Amino acid sequence: AQSVTQLGSHVSVSEGALVLLRCNYSSSVPPYLFWYVQYPNQGLQLLLKYTTGATLVKGINGFEAEFKKSETSFHLTKPSAHMSDAAEYFCAVSEPGSQGNLIFGKGTKLSVKP
Amino acid sequence: GAVVSQHPSRVICKSGTSVKIECRSLDFQATTMFWYRQFPKQSLMLMATSNEGSKATYEQGVEKDKFLINHASLTLSTLTVTSAHPEDSSFYICSALGQPLGETQYFGPGTRLLVL
Repeated sequence: AQSVTQLGSHVSVSEGALVLLRCNYSSSVPPYLFWYVQYPNQGLQLLLKYTTGATLVKGINGFEAEFKKSETSFHLTKPSAHMSDAAEYFCAVSEPGSQGNLIFGKGTKLSVKP
Repeated sequence: GAVVSQHPSRVICKSGTSVKIECRSLDFQATTMFWYRQFPKQSLMLMATSNEGSKATYEQGVEKDKFLINHASLTLSTLTVTSAHPEDSSFYICSALGQPLGETQYFGPGTRLLVL
């Protein structure tokens, strides 16, 4: 069965610092991988996704993630944090052909200090 | 593209009444829609999956008579919480996927339900 692990339920960085949010998955087949962001009292917004092709994926708001099959990881990074990046971030996977059913991680809350 | 709306964004109701939440795909045809429930500071819990024109498939532990889902068209799905009780208070989020978007779910803004 697929599962997603997000290390660190809460990450705090200073404004301008590197953001690194970790995501590891377990899957019997190479999955599709997603990062979503959720601002307070809002739905989820797609940041980026990996399906096939280039393993380094660039998303919105300056975020990117790299699919590393050997490490079964899909960590999310941003070189320089902004105050507006403070939110909850969810990593999710789906198995190709599963009609898009998502398995979510538990989420990581990102705080950005001035 | 890929915009999903929900209505209402917030609803307060009395215990014992029913509440309907609408989920619409505004610029694509949603062959599949999903309904999630999210408790404070937790991840999303999938409640059910609905395909247009078919009965919804409910996850284990979700009462189908309590949470009625209808997906009558390619742009609209509704979730009706019947005989709501305070423990049904939660944040409900829908998502949709369809062609040509592939297997990526796009989420609505969520509906905050408070049952008094």
